[in-house]
Amino acid sequence: QKEVEQNSGPLSVPEGAIASLNCTYSDRGSQSFFWYRQYSGKSPELIMSIYSNGDKEDGRFTAQLNKASQYVSLLIRDSQPSDSATYLCAVIGGADGLTFGKGTHLIIQP
Amino acid sequence: DAGVIQSPRHEVTEMGQEVTLRCKPISGHNSLFWYRQTMMRGLELLIYFNNNVPIDDSGMPEDRFSAKMPNASFSTLKIQPSEPRDSAVYFCASSLGGRTEQYFGPGTRLTVT
Repeated sequence: QKEVEQNSGPLSVPEGAIASLNCTYSDRGSQSFFWYRQYSGKSPELIMSIYSNGDKEDGRFTAQLNKASQYVSLLIRDSQPSDSATYLCAVIGGADGLTFGKGTHLIIQP
Repeated sequence: DAGVIQSPRHEVTEMGQEVTLRCKPISGHNSLFWYRQTMMRGLELLIYFNNNVPIDDSGMPEDRFSAKMPNASFSTLKIQPSEPRDSAVYFCASSLGGRTEQYFGPGTRLTVT
């Protein structure tokens, strides 16, 4: 049973601070890792993908992958109220479909 | 560019009725995925197609569910007969294939009474 674990939150962060979201996965053969943002009542929106160990930066977002520890994280710098959403970690392992975590509810406090 | 298109956006039906959900993937994408989202279970993969061929349907909950992809630009997910526990948001996603980024449609919110 492939599992992706996330802290459900809510995670409350002051505006302008760094939000740190974490995810662990059980399938050691996983090869592709993604972060999706989902606003209430909307569909998941892809914000980051990462395929190799290390950091990947895109604007205010940084994804970090550590395959040895089976750990993925997402950092959001200079957090804005519009970043308030549920963040879903997703992993592709042996097959091509995504296995999702339950998501972390992030609240940015103005 | 148009994203993934799904219809209908909302569907309310009575138990026992047939429900058909439709999806048009992003042009040029050769992989298509159907997911279901509920509060209890989160987002779950139901089935996916590669080059119009079903590859993995192990997530389809039971025989009441079926999916087809007759061509590269259209797929359907059918539930017959529908039950109240099928109430959920059903998402379609597409990708360029392999283990690459998947892009989601707006979803169909299904309510079975």
